[in-house]
Amino acid sequence: AQSVTQPDIHITVSEGASLELRCNYSYGATPYLFWYVQSPGQGLQLLLKYFSGDTLVQGIKGFEAEFKRSQSSFNLRKPSVHWSDAAEYFCARPINAGGTSYGKLTFGQGTILTVHP
Amino acid sequence: DAGVIQSPRHEVTEMGQEVTLRCKPISGHDYLFWYRQTMMRGLELLIYFNNNVPIDDSGMPEDRFSAKMPNASFSTLKIQPSEPRDSAVYFCASSLALTGIIPPKANYGYTFGSGTRLTVV
Repeated sequence: AQSVTQPDIHITVSEGASLELRCNYSYGATPYLFWYVQSPGQGLQLLLKYFSGDTLVQGIKGFEAEFKRSQSSFNLRKPSVHWSDAAEYFCARPINAGGTSYGKLTFGQGTILTVHP
Repeated sequence: DAGVIQSPRHEVTEMGQEVTLRCKPISGHDYLFWYRQTMMRGLELLIYFNNNVPIDDSGMPEDRFSAKMPNASFSTLKIQPSEPRDSAVYFCASSLALTGIIPPKANYGYTFGSGTRLTVV
């Protein structure tokens, strides 16, 4: 089945340290992939997306992600974390609804990021 | 664009009462989704519409839940009767159509509303 998996439920980093959040996808030659962030009490905000082409994509808030077909991964990175980055992060992909159309978005389990001062 | 608009932001109701959640998608979007988020189950897709037509409602937990999209600019999710276990945050999202042939438009993406926090006591 088409899915995404986030292996880490909770990650803690110090402010200023680098960050990498993992996301693995299953099934699909070149999936469409997204990263969303959810701050406490807020909705989901799109950080970045990958459709095709350049495997390194830049997003908002200084985040980037790299698509690696050989590893079936789409990990999210940030070189220097700020306290305001503390939130929950979701990897997601739209599911092929049959033929060439895509429908619903399916999410990973989420990774909660805690940032220590 | 004001984004996806949901109302109310918070709803507290008594068990057995009817609850109606509302959503206004982004103008021009072809798809509308209703999700539910809880600590135990994470984000669950309840139902989604394409051009106002329900496509997949397999995530709707029970017959107590129903959703409608009478036109392209409005959708409702109704729970009748409500139960304490329905307490959750309900999100509405909308998107443009996406196919595997035509490259996605640059602005393609699923846009979420701010959610409705429902508490059933």
